[in-house]
Amino acid sequence: GNSVTQMEGPVTLSEEAFLTINCTYTATGYPSLFWYVQYPGEGLQLLLKATKADDKGSNKGFEATYRKETTSFHLEKGSVQVSDSAVYFCALLFSGGYNKLIFGAGTRLAVHP
Amino acid sequence: GAVVSQHPSRVICKSGTSVKIECRSLDFQATTMFWYRQFPKQSLMLMATSNEGSKATYEQGVEKDKFLINHASLTLSTLTVTSAHPEDSSFYICSARDSSSGSNEQFFGPGTRLTVL
Repeated sequence: GNSVTQMEGPVTLSEEAFLTINCTYTATGYPSLFWYVQYPGEGLQLLLKATKADDKGSNKGFEATYRKETTSFHLEKGSVQVSDSAVYFCALLFSGGYNKLIFGAGTRLAVHP
Repeated sequence: GAVVSQHPSRVICKSGTSVKIECRSLDFQATTMFWYRQFPKQSLMLMATSNEGSKATYEQGVEKDKFLINHASLTLSTLTVTSAHPEDSSFYICSARDSSSGSNEQFFGPGTRLTVL
């Protein structure tokens, strides 16, 4: 079946540290891949996406590359800020049927000054 | 940008009562909305796909008679938890897809925390 596995949190970093949140997926066919972010008290926001192999999504200094050979979509940022503290969800869009999103468990990131 | 609201943000009810949660797309029309449930420290799990003017499509294992979905307009879908029990306590999140954009992107509401006593 289709599933998403992401690294467990919380991830605690100091400001300006390098961030990696691992995400791997299992899917039939060729899904689109997404990273969503949920700031405290808010809804999920799309952070970035990639629709095919080797695509790189980027936004707000975050990047993720769709790696078909390793079925991965790891999220990276070179220098995190306190304002990046949030929960990050990796997701895949299963395009068969009803275009359903399948989410990972979420990874909480806490950035300290 | 596309904004989705949910009401209420929090609700506490007694066991056996029914609770209605609203999901509205504020600045776009949505023929398709989605309802998710999120348990603490777990994934969002899709419960059902709500289609304007037709019956909702429920995921396997989700009771249709327990979680009633109505999508009567292009900007409003409601989820009613009927005869709620403590095990229904959870965080319910909706999302909506912009009908006019041609994109599959879903815009999420802020969620509703339901506590059943």
